[in-house]
Amino acid sequence: DAGVTQSPTHLIKTRGQQVTLRCSPKSGHDTVSWYQQALGQGPQFIFQYYEEEERQRGNFPDRFSGHQFPNYSSELNVNALLLGDSALYLCASSLFSREVEDFGAGTRLSVL
Amino acid sequence: RKEVEQDPGPFNVPEGATVAFNCTYSNSASQSFFWYRQDCRKEPKLLMSVYSSGNEDGRFTAQLNRASQYISLLIRDSKLSDSATYLCGNNQGGKLIFGQGTELSVKP
Repeated sequence: DAGVTQSPTHLIKTRGQQVTLRCSPKSGHDTVSWYQQALGQGPQFIFQYYEEEERQRGNFPDRFSGHQFPNYSSELNVNALLLGDSALYLCASSLFSREVEDFGAGTRLSVL
Repeated sequence: RKEVEQDPGPFNVPEGATVAFNCTYSNSASQSFFWYRQDCRKEPKLLMSVYSSGNEDGRFTAQLNRASQYISLLIRDSKLSDSATYLCGNNQGGKLIFGQGTELSVKP
């Protein structure tokens, strides 16, 4: 039974570029949340998707957008990359009615 | 003020020691709390959920004090394998709010 999977594992981009990160939730889960974790900090909530709609959003600019597909997988898009966007991006999945979330291994994004 | 604040680390303890971490939160309406463990450059893994006054799992005990708005994690008989970063936080309507994490290093 596969857990939460994310791709790619590592990514290097330059300032101003755009990036798309992908996440497949754990089997049976219908909700996907995205988090950004800067070095030495705890994960920060970006947004959550359920039934293909953004249900909640954290304090992140509109450059951060997402999508959920009918198979519950999700994408995180970041436009106009800044150096400060360098971080570990974590995807978590859960059942909408439950609170515990399982995390993927993350995508490590470096912006040069 | 941050929504969730943790003890600054790192904590360096010898094997066998008992170590305690504290975590304070600002949202008094929070209902559920948790501790996650995160190994270097890995994803967080749920260690313990706390819904009422506390929870115990083997060498790990979590306590919740709603009046003072803090949760604690006690690790007894520390093992080398307990070395990691411990993240506390709460669940606010489906989003997890984390503290910055406390690094624990258990030495032989």
